Amino acid sequence: SSELTQDPAVSVALGQTVRITCQGDSLRRYYASWYQQKPGQAPVLVMYGKDNNRPSGIPDRFSGSSSGNTASLTITGAQAEDEADYYCHSRSTSGNHLFGGGTKLTVL
Amino acid sequence: QAQLVESGGGLVKPGGSLRLSCTASGGPTFSDFYMTWIRQAPGKGLEWVSYISGTGSDIYYADSVKGRFTISRDNGKNSLYLQMNSLRVEDTAVYYCARDWRSSWYNWLHPWGQGTLVTVSS
Repeated sequence: SSELTQDPAVSVALGQTVRITCQGDSLRRYYASWYQQKPGQAPVLVMYGKDNNRPSGIPDRFSGSSSGNTASLTITGAQAEDEADYYCHSRSTSGNHLFGGGTKLTVL
Repeated sequence: QAQLVESGGGLVKPGGSLRLSCTASGGPTFSDFYMTWIRQAPGKGLEWVSYISGTGSDIYYADSVKGRFTISRDNGKNSLYLQMNSLRVEDTAVYYCARDWRSSWYNWLHPWGQGTLVTVSS
């Protein structure tokens, strides 16, 4: 399969932990990267690779993991400013790039 | 801090053409990196469009644009381009460029430009 599948929407109570998942065959070979997009803004990289790599400026409450065909982005102690759309991304075995359909995170 | 700025978007009729540009400033040497175009239709998710290697020798397109779009770059001008021909209504989207970092087992796109809106409508 050449797709990445994400849950369309997830909610979390303020200060609690939430996991956003991404499934796809390409993730058995390639690690995912994750992007946060707030309304009217360009996506921003929040996590990439296999060693919990975060760009500078991304809080350490964001972490990533991978197992089999599933990649996960975990937010530990979600804040109101984390409410956004989150997209996973990876290379595919055929050479192109793939994006998941996105997960809308609501912080209650 | 690297910055990418897209330009060239606008309103075009179906079947028409448009050329997008993405200019890089700051950060690592432009020619050392792959660059990628991504688009986002109104209210929809992200769709990868095309990438090009630093030398321009490695190019790949999404099936949805293959044969209609052409990616290119001018390293002397720190610029990336997307020539879009035979435009369709479904090409309407915000188009983003991003620096495409690569390791053996993963890619990451960083930074992204602010995007430029392409509207295809009669």
